Amino acid sequence: EVQLVESGGGLVQPGGSLRLSCAASGFTLSSNWMSWVRQAPGKGLEWVANIKYDGTEKYYVDSVKGRFTISRDNAKNSLFLQLSSLRAEDTAVYYCTRDISPGTMGYWGQGTLVTVSS
Amino acid sequence: QSALTQPPSASGSPGQSVTISCTGTSSDVGGYDYVSWYQQHPGKAPKLMIYDVTTRPSGVPDRFSGSKSGNTASLTVSGLQAEDEADYYCGSFAGSNPVRFGGGTKLTVL
Repeated sequence: EVQLVESGGGLVQPGGSLRLSCAASGFTLSSNWMSWVRQAPGKGLEWVANIKYDGTEKYYVDSVKGRFTISRDNAKNSLFLQLSSLRAEDTAVYYCTRDISPGTMGYWGQGTLVTVSS
Repeated sequence: QSALTQPPSASGSPGQSVTISCTGTSSDVGGYDYVSWYQQHPGKAPKLMIYDVTTRPSGVPDRFSGSKSGNTASLTVSGLQAEDEADYYCGSFAGSNPVRFGGGTKLTVL
């Protein structure tokens, strides 16, 4: 059974940093593109970033370029998202997803809440 | 990186059919056969219902179907059931800006 378990969310001040982790199981992480998708409270889905199975390609939504970094450790079955220079508008539930087709999030974790507030 | 356009709401009675549209451009929906649809119940993570325009993942009822014409994709839910009441989001591959989502449609079963 595919499982994705996010962790690392919490309350952080504007300008602060946070590192999100996603523990993957039930499939071979090294064979899959992976993504992070976020959802602000009461709002829709927003794709944030994705990373190729070997980590050689990474893409970001314009609003987080230069502030967020996606990475992976296939040996540890883990996906990461480093969040820096955080703003109030980054407040959201962040989901880790396994991509099954270009632009398709086939499996989702339960999400981790990031709140940016002073 | 503009979002895809969905109607904010849709509704139907049990047993009826309802169709939700998702309009993009030739850079996303119209340019690739990689349109997906997600169902989200309150407080839950999204669930993939349709991908590659028309493909249903294992376990998704065949009451759910997808299609595309030009820059507009559609999700049709036939034989509406109470448990289909949820938010639905479309998504599309968009090349070098890989993924765009629609704003979401709240489906109400009357």
